[in-house]
Amino acid sequence: AQTVTQSQPEMSVQEAETVTLSCTYDTSESDYYLFWYKQPPSRQMILVIRQEAYKQQNATENRFSVNFQKAAKSFSLKISDSQLGDAAMYFCAFLNRDDKIIFGKGTRLHILP
Amino acid sequence: GAVVSQHPSRVICKSGTSVKIECRSLDFQATTMFWYRQFPKQSLMLMATSNEGSKATYEQGVEKDKFLINHASLTLSTLTVTSAHPEDSSFYICSAREGDLNTEAFFGQGTRLTVV
Repeated sequence: AQTVTQSQPEMSVQEAETVTLSCTYDTSESDYYLFWYKQPPSRQMILVIRQEAYKQQNATENRFSVNFQKAAKSFSLKISDSQLGDAAMYFCAFLNRDDKIIFGKGTRLHILP
Repeated sequence: GAVVSQHPSRVICKSGTSVKIECRSLDFQATTMFWYRQFPKQSLMLMATSNEGSKATYEQGVEKDKFLINHASLTLSTLTVTSAHPEDSSFYICSAREGDLNTEAFFGQGTRLTVV
């Protein structure tokens, strides 16, 4: 079975600092997509960043970047220059060939002013 | 990004009644829509996938007679919780996508259902 594991239920970071959220996944597929979603208190799911497994280059979106290690099945999210608005629940997710998104349990990120 | 509107955002219903949740894609044609359920402080669990004009495909363990999904047009899908019970209380989220899995799926703002 395909699984997504986020081992950090909660994390805190000082404003303006950098934080890394961990994610590992398990699959036998070679071609797939990985995502990080943000769910703020409004509960609206927002796509933060997306990575195609066939691309070796790590995806980057402004202050957000990933460290994609395909062999290790690891997909961590780095948030640089953390801002108060980054406080949210972050979900790592995997899209399989059956077109189903499998979500991790999430990491709640607190930003300390 | 594209907008997916989910309505209502909150609903309280009596046990035994049915409630309908709507999911609309406002500025694109959603060939595929997904319905998720999120328990408090937990992740999103896929309930079903629907393609316009076709019957929904339900995930294992999801009662199709209890959670009726209709995707009658390219901009609207509905989830009807029939004969609701308190254990059906949850947060329900839809997402919609135009095209295949190479395109981004956009999420609605969710519906908080409370069955009393």
